[in-house]
Amino acid sequence: DAGITQSPRHKVTETGTPVTLRCHQTENHRYMYWYRQDPGHGLRLIHYSYGVKDTDKGEVSDGYSVSRSKTEDFLLTLESATSSQTSVYFCAISEARIGTGAYYGYTFGSGTRLTVV
Amino acid sequence: KQEVTQIPAALSVPEGENLVLNCSFTDSAIYNLQWFRQDPGKGLTSLLLIQSSQREQTSGRLNASLDKSSGRSTLYIAASQPGDSATYLCAVVGGADGLTFGKGTHLIIQP
Repeated sequence: DAGITQSPRHKVTETGTPVTLRCHQTENHRYMYWYRQDPGHGLRLIHYSYGVKDTDKGEVSDGYSVSRSKTEDFLLTLESATSSQTSVYFCAISEARIGTGAYYGYTFGSGTRLTVV
Repeated sequence: KQEVTQIPAALSVPEGENLVLNCSFTDSAIYNLQWFRQDPGKGLTSLLLIQSSQREQTSGRLNASLDKSSGRSTLYIAASQPGDSATYLCAVVGGADGLTFGKGTHLIIQP
């Protein structure tokens, strides 16, 4: 989608190696998210960020870490990849209207297909 | 914990039919609800966003309604076309911690 890009699009890695996925946005949105999508489980939140250096855990955060040193970039790191982390990873961005708490819609990237062998 | 359920899980109809996809959620304290479309192997495309204060949104042949008090939303697709074949996902926003998704309805429109 325009305004949000993920890299790489595909990656095959070996068990035990660290892997970093990148999400880059040009919309200057405050909120950024990492989801994983698996058959039978749907989309589940891994980590999210509500500002530079401000991050929090989601539903399935074990084995993952994130960093956000700039508004536009949100990195997801698999510290030691396992086969259970084979999945499609999506980044999303959103914004909220200051003072009202009203959230705007979410925009998703095209995804990264990660295979851990 | 918020739970989102979509019914039916799969649906196959002939071209031209009007159809309704259902979404229910357990916690009515939501900011908004968003419907997405996902084609096989692709990302999510936003279809409609309904703020909690709204009752419905329309875009072309699509109409989404929201009844927050009963925890329900419907996506109505008029005059279905083969190009509408995709998985449709419903998601709700409860706060800064992002969307909670249903597992989707896999829709096939037969030519």
